Amino acid sequence: KNEVEQSPQNLTAQEGEFITINCSYSVGISALHWLQQHPGGGIVSLFMLSSGKKKHGRLIATINIQEKHSSLHITASHPRDSAVYICAVMNYGGSQGNLIFGKGTKLSVKP
Amino acid sequence: DAGITQSPRHKVTETGTPVTLRCHQTENHRYMYWYRQDPGHGLRLIHYSYGVKDTDKGEVSDGYSVSRSKTEDFLLTLESATSSQTSVYFCAISLPDRGPVYGYTFGSGTRLTVV
Repeated sequence: KNEVEQSPQNLTAQEGEFITINCSYSVGISALHWLQQHPGGGIVSLFMLSSGKKKHGRLIATINIQEKHSSLHITASHPRDSAVYICAVMNYGGSQGNLIFGKGTKLSVKP
Repeated sequence: DAGITQSPRHKVTETGTPVTLRCHQTENHRYMYWYRQDPGHGLRLIHYSYGVKDTDKGEVSDGYSVSRSKTEDFLLTLESATSSQTSVYFCAISLPDRGPVYGYTFGSGTRLTVV
């Protein structure tokens, strides 16, 4: 079983829809990251969370440490949000480089 | 962006040849990482560095070596390339907390094909 599971694997939405991507993990963590990988391949860091909720523009990330679950929400989705969204966790007590990545959720937003 | 560049962007090489990928940063950050990305897998850590001449192995380090003789450069070497090392390689640096959007900065990736 993968230590970081994302759902759904693929998601198609209409422009303007509210989108939720989920991430569940099975290890103790010190932090969780959400990343965005553009169709051209570049990877951008969106959020790092250790508790609660963070917001940046139309993006909201939440984490429930007890449930070992995080969600990434996109409000008023737009075709430019089309990308692969990747969840990664930093294993608690692990070394600085010890990020465990999910396989990603491919989002396609249609105009 | 945080000033991280990878070279080359694309490379095709023959089985058994040595290959070196370069990651260069202009931010003077301590931590640098090499990952590989393959279909059906998440990003996987190859090696990382926590300072000049300080490196450690990641999850998939077999067949790879690294060197960091200067803060700004982190080199990944495939001593004798194999077809299983065909992949997209990403370099990354980790950034200090500057607010809600921070964490890691990734290079643009190197697409390596071993034939």
